[in-house]
Amino acid sequence: GAGVSQSPSNKVTEKGKDVELRCDPISGHTALYWYRQRLGQGLEFLIYFQGNSAPDKSGLPSDRFSAERTGESVSTLTIQRTQQEDSAVYLCASSSPLNRAGAGLETQYFGPGTRLLVL
Amino acid sequence: EDQVTQSPEALRLQEGESSSLNCSYTVSGLRGLFWYRQDPGKGPEFLFTLYSAGEEKEKERLKATLTKKESFLHITAPKPEDSATYLCAVQAWGGAGTASKLTFGTGTRLQVTL
Repeated sequence: GAGVSQSPSNKVTEKGKDVELRCDPISGHTALYWYRQRLGQGLEFLIYFQGNSAPDKSGLPSDRFSAERTGESVSTLTIQRTQQEDSAVYLCASSSPLNRAGAGLETQYFGPGTRLLVL
Repeated sequence: EDQVTQSPEALRLQEGESSSLNCSYTVSGLRGLFWYRQDPGKGPEFLFTLYSAGEEKEKERLKATLTKKESFLHITAPKPEDSATYLCAVQAWGGAGTASKLTFGTGTRLQVTL
């Protein structure tokens, strides 16, 4: 596709339920990132995938959070036993190591986000 | 730990009134400084990447500059459609396998009125 896509765009869930968020990166982008944006706060890094390398999970806030990516395609972020503090916008970004004119090396392009509300 | 501080938190300008947004940063080794624009309910939209002190980039009414400690986003003769939150982020050099994560500031909310 032309850009990064995410689904669902909005998700309302009850405390304690599991949720799964999906990200489709830009075709050909080998790197994929998940960030969280809480109201009034900056984007927080969660996890990074680069090709077939082991993901960098250093930003995941607890073991309730996990993510998977198959090859260089779709990624899913799963939050188990959701808590009210998990309410946020979850943003996905992808990048390519190729130097593209006008963009610079490894510029991250973001999707529209999934707005998660935990009641 | 890498840190980014943006000021002011909010800025209200009249159409045509030029101003600058500030991004102060501390990073172990700067790989790149990024500016994004974010409209309500949308993901950040890439604007510029700056790599070294003294570098400048322009796009329409926006110009980004970089020093060793801060970056400025200059807005010349803004229009109402420039209203958005402007985000600054840094990316540090790391060893092989280190994530190229971005560390973001909290943004400057810009409102341009007629």
